Amino acid sequence: DQQVKQNSPSLSVQEGRISILNCDYTNSMFDYFLWYKKYPAEGPTFLISISSIKDKNEDGRFTVFLNKSAKHLSLHIVPSQPGDSAVYFCAASRYSGGGADGLTFGKGTHLIIQP
Amino acid sequence: GAVVSQHPSWVICKSGTSVKIECRSLDFQATTMFWYRQFPKQSLMLMATSNEGSKATYEQGVEKDKFLINHASLTLSTLTVTSAHPEDSSFYICSASSGGYYEQYFGPGTRLTVT
Repeated sequence: DQQVKQNSPSLSVQEGRISILNCDYTNSMFDYFLWYKKYPAEGPTFLISISSIKDKNEDGRFTVFLNKSAKHLSLHIVPSQPGDSAVYFCAASRYSGGGADGLTFGKGTHLIIQP
Repeated sequence: GAVVSQHPSWVICKSGTSVKIECRSLDFQATTMFWYRQFPKQSLMLMATSNEGSKATYEQGVEKDKFLINHASLTLSTLTVTSAHPEDSSFYICSASSGGYYEQYFGPGTRLTVT
C-alpha cells in the first residue's frame, strides 16, 4: 500500500515557465512533508518542507502548497531553469514524540526542462 | 552545512561475504540516522532507524540479522550486509537528522553489487 503517491512519472516543461509537481498521501498521521531533488547515483538533496499546520511555504523559486483536507501537496518551481532537470521526490514524515520518523517517499517525478 | 558522507561510494563483493558501509555526519551531531535502499527506478525504502547508543528499529520485512546497524557515536552509523547475496545488490543511502522536525540530510549513497 503506497502511502505517498506521485502519479506523474515524468514532466516536461519549457525553460522559464512554471513547473508544478504533484503529490498525494493517504496516511492522515503524516504531519510534515518534504521535497527532495535527486540525480542518478546520488543521494537526495533537500529542497523545501512544510508542516501540516501551514498551507504554503516559499523559498526563492520554490513554493510548496499543502491542501490537508485533500491530502495533496504540490511543488511549484518558477521560473524553471535547465539545472532543475532531475527526479523530484515527495516525502512525508510524522513526529512520534521521540523524534522524527523515517521518511516515506513517493516514486518520484522526472522533471525535464526544455530550452 | 548539513553534510553527510558515505563510504565506500561503490563496492563489489562475492556472494556469501559481508560488506560494511559507513555513514558520517560531518558538521552536525546526528541523534538519529536512517538507512534506505533504492532499487532501480523505484522509490527510496526505509530499512531502519538508529538512535545513538540504542538498538536500531527495523521496518517490517527487513532482516535485522542480515542488515546489522551500529550507531556508535553522534556522527557515525554503520550498516553491515552479512552473507550478501545477489538480490542484496542495490543503492544504499543513509540520512541523518539532529532530531525533532529537522529535515533529514542524505549521504551520496553506496552502490552495492554482489556477484
